[in-house]
Amino acid sequence: QVQLQESGPGLVKPSETLSLTCTISGGSVRSYNWVWIRQSPGKRLECLGFAYDIDNTNFSPSLKSRVSTSVDESANQFSLKLTSVTAADTALYFCARIKGTTGTTRFDYWGQGTPVTVSS
Amino acid sequence: DIQLTQSPSFLSASVGDRVTITCRASQGINTDLAWYQQKPGKAPELLLFAASTLQRGVPSRFSGSGSGTEFTLTITSLQPEDFATFYCQQVNSFPPTFGPGTTVDV
Repeated sequence: QVQLQESGPGLVKPSETLSLTCTISGGSVRSYNWVWIRQSPGKRLECLGFAYDIDNTNFSPSLKSRVSTSVDESANQFSLKLTSVTAADTALYFCARIKGTTGTTRFDYWGQGTPVTVSS
Repeated sequence: DIQLTQSPSFLSASVGDRVTITCRASQGINTDLAWYQQKPGKAPELLLFAASTLQRGVPSRFSGSGSGTEFTLTITSLQPEDFATFYCQQVNSFPPTFGPGTTVDV
């Protein structure tokens, strides 16, 4: 049974960099593709950054200049960095596993989410 | 980005009711659509993908249909554990996007 666990600082000051980590158990980070998603109060779910086949990454166009992702195979982790944060980045952040190919893609396992507040 | 709308936004229902939620895409997405259920304080859980394929372990009272721009999620007999918010997600075009959600409550 795959389990994902997000970890992060909880509180970040405006203009600083948010760093989150997703630790994967019950499966290898190498074997699948991964995504970070956030959910702001009253707003819809939003995909932020992706990792495909460990070496390939992609990002939401709206956040592309501020988002990066990385995979640490030795630690079996998938990470997110979001720079120059503002109050608008306050949200519940999830990591999830991507399964399937064209036409059958889905996010089949999710972490429980980690809340992030941007405030001075 | 492909925009998704859902109707209704809120649905009042009772145990045993048949419930239907509609998701519409701003452009055709074939059957590249998934449905998720989210309960308060929890992560979304996958219900269906490819518009109509039931995720392993999901009860058969959940079903999905549609293609192109209009999709439906149906719960044939609502159970107490089904009260939640439901989201559709398109995976046809990058980035994947979600609908605004439909809350099913008493």
